Amino acid sequence: AQTVTQSQPEMSVQEAETVTLSCTYDTSESDYYLFWYKQPPSRQMILVIRQEAYKQQNATENRFSVNFQKAAKSFSLKISDSQLGDAAMYFCAYRSALGSARQLTFGSGTQLTVLP
Amino acid sequence: EPEVTQTPSHQVTQMGQEVILRCVPISNHLYFYWYRQILGQKVEFLVSFYNNEISEKSEIFDDQFSVERPDGSNFTLKIRSTKLEDSAMYFCASNLRGQGFRDTQYFGPGTRLTVL
Repeated sequence: AQTVTQSQPEMSVQEAETVTLSCTYDTSESDYYLFWYKQPPSRQMILVIRQEAYKQQNATENRFSVNFQKAAKSFSLKISDSQLGDAAMYFCAYRSALGSARQLTFGSGTQLTVLP
Repeated sequence: EPEVTQTPSHQVTQMGQEVILRCVPISNHLYFYWYRQILGQKVEFLVSFYNNEISEKSEIFDDQFSVERPDGSNFTLKIRSTKLEDSAMYFCASNLRGQGFRDTQYFGPGTRLTVL
């Protein structure tokens, strides 16, 4: 079974600065997808960014980018120019690309605080 | 932009009572999911549903749980006899069939279930 580990329960960043959230995962599969979801205080789950394992190029979405290291099974999220609205719980998630299993496996989350 | 909706936003029930949580997935999506998040813990997969049948389920999804797509739009989760430990946020999600971004799961805002 796949596992996802987020070793930083809490992180803080000054507004306008850059922060990196860590995620590692364990799998024996070669084809899979990785995601970062954001959960603000409303508790809605919002997709931030996704990465296909077969792509070597790191995904970017505006101020959000990832550092995907497949051999190390690492998938970190970098938030540049942090804004107050970025404050939320961030979850890393894994999904197999094989067979019919499509469920997401989530990490335990990192609570990000943005300081004004 | 289309979105997944869930009702009610908050449900309070007595232990032993039956509850039905409702979801309206995005209209052209084909895969449907239920996840739950106990307060302060990670999001956990419960069940996935495709082509009018369960495609995957977790150990959590025991005989007390059932899912149904009673019509062309709703997707429901029923808990037959609620326990205190069923108190959690329940998320519905859906995605298209296919590869790439078509396969991304989009989440509803969640239903907070409180069992007294």
